[in-house]
Amino acid sequence: DAGVIQSPRHEVTEMGQEVTLRCKPISGHDYLFWYRQTMMRGLELLIYFNNNVPIDDSGMPEDRFSAKMPNASFSTLKIQPSEPRDSAVYFCASRTSGKADTQYFGPGTRLTVL
Amino acid sequence: SQQGEEDPQALSIQEGENATMNCSYKTSINNLQWYRQNSGRGLVHLILIRSNEREKHSGRLRVTLDTSKKSSSLLITASRAADTASYFCATALTGGGNKLTFGTGTQLKVEL
Repeated sequence: DAGVIQSPRHEVTEMGQEVTLRCKPISGHDYLFWYRQTMMRGLELLIYFNNNVPIDDSGMPEDRFSAKMPNASFSTLKIQPSEPRDSAVYFCASRTSGKADTQYFGPGTRLTVL
Repeated sequence: SQQGEEDPQALSIQEGENATMNCSYKTSINNLQWYRQNSGRGLVHLILIRSNEREKHSGRLRVTLDTSKKSSSLLITASRAADTASYFCATALTGGGNKLTFGTGTQLKVEL
């Protein structure tokens, strides 16, 4: 089975531009998580969905960040406008209710905002 | 703030030696998990230990959990160069919904 798929793998953009990160969870998984990883702050949970509904977005840093999950096989994380401090690796992870919290991570998107 | 603090931050050993990493956490948990992250890759789940368990084994991995001390350790026996990676503990908090809170990680380097 394919794992969690993320695109793009690398994104370089200029400050002020809109950035959209994409994620396809593992088929059959009903939870989807977005994380951000930086050297300074480690791995932070931004938001998670259950059955396509956002459950906890308390980790979303500010209004510039938004996430959607229009269906069970696709989610987006959007940053508008982007800032240099948003530079990080963004991970998507998914899990199923029946697998006791174990999460399956995608390869990540490395975002650089110049 | 980080729920899990890991110790040491970095560890360098020779192939064949054992590697021990420790994780401390602050609040009550349902379970604790360990993940590995190779450079430039996503995290991979290694092992899960529930709050009512004290020790668990999986291949060359041994995990212990001491809920009275709010700490866990991960032991990798007979390490290999391929074990070189960062290792993170993650806690599922009691009443924390379905979230995991990740620790700061230990960077392990296994040298030939």
